[in-house]
Amino acid sequence: QQQVKQSPQSLIVQKGGISIINCAYENTAFDYFPWYQQFPGKGPALLIAIRPDVSEKKEGRFTISFNKSAKQFSLHIMDSQPGDSATYFCAASSGNQFYFGTGTSLTVIP
Amino acid sequence: GAGVSQSPSNKVTEKGKDVELRCDPISGHTALYWYRQSLGQGLEFLIYFQGNSAPDKSGLPSDRFSAERTGGSVSTLTIQRTQQEDSAVYLCASSSAPRGGRYFGPGTRLTVT
Repeated sequence: QQQVKQSPQSLIVQKGGISIINCAYENTAFDYFPWYQQFPGKGPALLIAIRPDVSEKKEGRFTISFNKSAKQFSLHIMDSQPGDSATYFCAASSGNQFYFGTGTSLTVIP
Repeated sequence: GAGVSQSPSNKVTEKGKDVELRCDPISGHTALYWYRQSLGQGLEFLIYFQGNSAPDKSGLPSDRFSAERTGGSVSTLTIQRTQQEDSAVYLCASSSAPRGGRYFGPGTRLTVT
């Protein structure tokens, strides 16, 4: 059973546009929701994370929106740039349990 | 500061040979994880260490896979009698606590011919 469902599988956005990646979870015990960015040939890098006591967290062009009642969270990349082209993974965690989404391949077209 | 390092970065081996993959976590990180990532796929959990003990080995795909961690630091993932389906990128991550964010190394790309 997939603990974290991520969509879309792939996304193509024009430079300057907004990229939105969505994740959903079932386990209400999850209390930590990070996003990872992975470039080809590299390991995933922690990008931004949120805990369920807030509904939004913003770091530069990256924003996590969190909807506790809907058990959904999303990553928004504002003013998307070609350098943002990468695979993005969401995750949800509680204690030692840590579950990744299946990843979204983002391509930003110049 | 230094991040998670892994060696070798690439390993090509013949089917049936044993391989050892090494991970050096971030200094002071007590939790260490191994993951496997096949081409274009997500992250498959293999094993978790807290200190030198492995409370969760549930992701190891077969008894050909084993891992150890010594001194609460370096970890080695060993794959015996490698098979072609073992070809993947093996990623190591560490964390200061099980509840914290996980910091990944660059991975070892294993190719079994």
